[in-house]
Amino acid sequence: ETGVTQSPTHLIKTRGQQVTLRCSSQSGHNTVSWYQQALGQGPQFIFQYYREEENGRGNFPPRFSGLQFPNYSSELNVNALELDDSALYLCASSERPTEAFFGQGTRLTVV
Amino acid sequence: AQTVTQSQPEMSVQEAETVTLSCTYDTSENNYYLFWYKQPPSRQMILVIRQEAYKQQNATENRFSVNFQKAAKSFSLKISDSQLGDTAMYFCAFIGDDKIIFGKGTRLHILP
Repeated sequence: ETGVTQSPTHLIKTRGQQVTLRCSSQSGHNTVSWYQQALGQGPQFIFQYYREEENGRGNFPPRFSGLQFPNYSSELNVNALELDDSALYLCASSERPTEAFFGQGTRLTVV
Repeated sequence: AQTVTQSQPEMSVQEAETVTLSCTYDTSENNYYLFWYKQPPSRQMILVIRQEAYKQQNATENRFSVNFQKAAKSFSLKISDSQLGDTAMYFCAFIGDDKIIFGKGTRLHILP
């Protein structure tokens, strides 16, 4: 157990809808990163939050957005869902970049 | 561009055997960290081993060890005395600009 929890574990949405995924970081960790893992692929970096500010972004469109709260928990929001957004979404929390702890992920299916 | 390449999509070995997973990477940085992560069917990404690039000595963690060749930008993982619980996807990864860059993974099957 890493102390990082994600909710929900599974989710089915319809194309065009919006979705919010949640991540509770490990106690004391001020940085949260989100990754998208398509089937059969390695995780791809979406963005990172440090002390409630976006601190780096991967090659994802603006309809992928996020928040980090004062308790360092985080949300990933995806608007106008597309079929290709179907993936496992992983959250990782860390105090230092070299020690990232991952949650169990949210499996999103867009139909 | 920073990239991580794993050339073995899938491997199978008998229980108790030794297996080596390959990884190459590309970066212009001089100080960086490399990782091997394990992702079992439970989906949770688990850190197996970490190597700091400025350290010459190869990292070891119990049955897991790496062969780090900095000049060749190679970072292979050796699993000794493999166990059924080692069955999982294994990802080689690299820290660049505070984000983790993953390879595409190697699916490892440990056969009884």
